[in-house]
Amino acid sequence: EAEVAQSPRYKITEKSQAVAFWCDPISGHATLYWYRQILGQGPELLVQFQDESVVDDSQLPKDRFSAERLKGVDSTLKIQPAELGDSAMYLCASSRNSQGAPQETQYFGPGTRLLVL
Amino acid sequence: GNSVTQMEGPVTLSEEAFLTINCTYTATGYPSLFWYVQYPGEGLQLLLKATKADDKGSNKGFEATYRKETTSFHLEKGSVQVSDSAVYFCAFHTGGFKTIFGAGTRLFVKA
Repeated sequence: EAEVAQSPRYKITEKSQAVAFWCDPISGHATLYWYRQILGQGPELLVQFQDESVVDDSQLPKDRFSAERLKGVDSTLKIQPAELGDSAMYLCASSRNSQGAPQETQYFGPGTRLLVL
Repeated sequence: GNSVTQMEGPVTLSEEAFLTINCTYTATGYPSLFWYVQYPGEGLQLLLKATKADDKGSNKGFEATYRKETTSFHLEKGSVQVSDSAVYFCAFHTGGFKTIFGAGTRLFVKA
């Protein structure tokens, strides 16, 4: 069964450093999501792509976070500079639908756990 | 605004006990409703879903019924196992581009 791949699984960095996370969605999935999950909370959407276009980045702290999906396949999420409060799990998910249908299932990767010291 | 409220955890049960995790939502329109499960160190997995009022989603012995009149989607299982220990997230997906997740409910099942 196809899965969403993410790397690295764990990342420890010092504040003010740059970090980057990579996600490869399930083949053929048009929609890609990046979520941040703080310990003890539910995932919060950071950015959503439809193919290569951003359709929602309203919760992305754009002064330090950036995301791209240049060819509409894999995606990179970057933080520069990292802050202590960025410590969290970063989850990537994908879904088939290109119209944002409400019944569409999202498939999640294993996540990248970030610790900022 | 849109939101999901789940019962607070942790919920601790003995094996073979009955499980209920309450979930209510506030949403505009007619959302689809989901339960996701997260095992330790892993991402979220879809457990079940319902796309319209009175639909019942079911999987692996878990069930939830979409109650539009009470805006609820409570998760139930008749007999839990140790392997069901995980965090359970209620969520809904509005038409368009938004999924709203609850805070999660941690379940511990003792042998």
